[in-house]
Order: sequence, then structure tokens, then C-alpha cells
Amino acid sequence: EDQVTQSPEALRLQEGESSSLNCSYTVSGLRGLFWYRQDPGKGPEFLFTLYSAGEEKEKERLKATLTKKESFLHITAPKPEDSATYLCAASNTGNQFYFGTGTSLTVIP
Amino acid sequence: DVKVTQSSRYLVKRTGEKVFLECVQDMDHENMFWYRQDPGLGLRLIYFSYDVKMKEKGDIPEGYSVSREKKERFSLILESASTNQTSMYLCASSFHRGRIEGGEKLFFGSGTQLSVL
Repeated sequence: EDQVTQSPEALRLQEGESSSLNCSYTVSGLRGLFWYRQDPGKGPEFLFTLYSAGEEKEKERLKATLTKKESFLHITAPKPEDSATYLCAASNTGNQFYFGTGTSLTVIP
Repeated sequence: DVKVTQSSRYLVKRTGEKVFLECVQDMDHENMFWYRQDPGLGLRLIYFSYDVKMKEKGDIPEGYSVSREKKERFSLILESASTNQTSMYLCASSFHRGRIEGGEKLFFGSGTQLSVL
């Protein structure tokens, strides 16, 4: 069964304390692995797409990496404004999207 | 920037009412989707459409219908609202598979928080 699992469900970090969020996937014919940021009461905002194992993408304090079984979202020296829920999704060759339930990140000043 | 606009941020309706949720995108995307998002359950696909007047059921279509009369507009209809349809509703759009520019990523609207009393 195709699915995406994210861990941890919630993460509290001190400002400046780097960490990683995990996204494990079992999707047949992976076409893309996506990371989104979602603020409370708002729609998900696109961050990254990764297409093949070994690929990495960076944006400010965030870096996303991809292996054949999982993806990581590394957060370096986070700031309070990085607090949000981070969603992972995978699409397959049938253009179906599978979403994880997200990691709620809180960065404490 | 791509813009996906949902007509309402918050809605409060009564049980049994017919509810219309409207979504408009301005990037000439072929694909449009309706999801609902509930705590602990993540995003679940209700309906999607790959073309005008075309619709396909997603994972949880029961109690919902959709309409796509124009390419830019995709409407979600709750025929007779029930309390278990209280949720955050998210509209999304994307280019059709095979298009080079933009890839397949979904662009989301701001969401509609629907409460059914």
C-alpha cells in the first residue's frame, strides 16, 4: 500500500538548535517528493520538490534530501518564525498524491 | 505567482443546508483538486478534475459533488451538510502531467474552515 509517514509528530527546538524532520515513503513509481509548510489556519505553501535519490535542495535555513526510502528536512539554526507544520507528500506515475500527517515544529526564543 | 483563491475563509452552516465552496485559479492549470484536512488524518482527497466538465472521485467522495464548468473554477458542493463534514477544506491546482514548466507540484488556496452545527 502506498503511503507516507512523517516523524516526529511534534518537535520543540530552542532557537538556534538544528534538527531534522523525517518523511518515510512507500510509493510505487515515485514521480516526486514534495515538502510544504503550513501555518495555522492557512493552506500549505510549497517549499521543495525532489525527483531522484541523492538530490538535495536548499532555501535559507532549510535543506531537503532524498533517498530511495525517505526524505529529510534539515533545519539549521531555526528561528521562531520557522514554527509551522511541515508536510511531506509523494506523487506516483499515476499522478496520485500521498500526504503525511505532518510535523508540528515549535521554535522557542 | 500562482494564485488559488477560495471564496470564504470561514463558514458556519446548519445541518441539512446545501453548501457551495468556490475555488478559482489564475495560472491556466488543467488539474484541480479538493481536499479536506482533519487533525491526525492529514489531507484526504475528495474529488479532482483534469479538464473542464470532467471529474473523478477521490478517496472520500461520499456526501460531496463537484462542478467544473470553466477551466479556472472548481466548485465543491455539500448536498446536505452534516456535522461530520466540519473540517478545513483545501483547493489545489497544478499543471497537467507532462508539462515541463512548473512540474506537478500542487498550489493550494488559503483554505475554508467549515463548521456545520
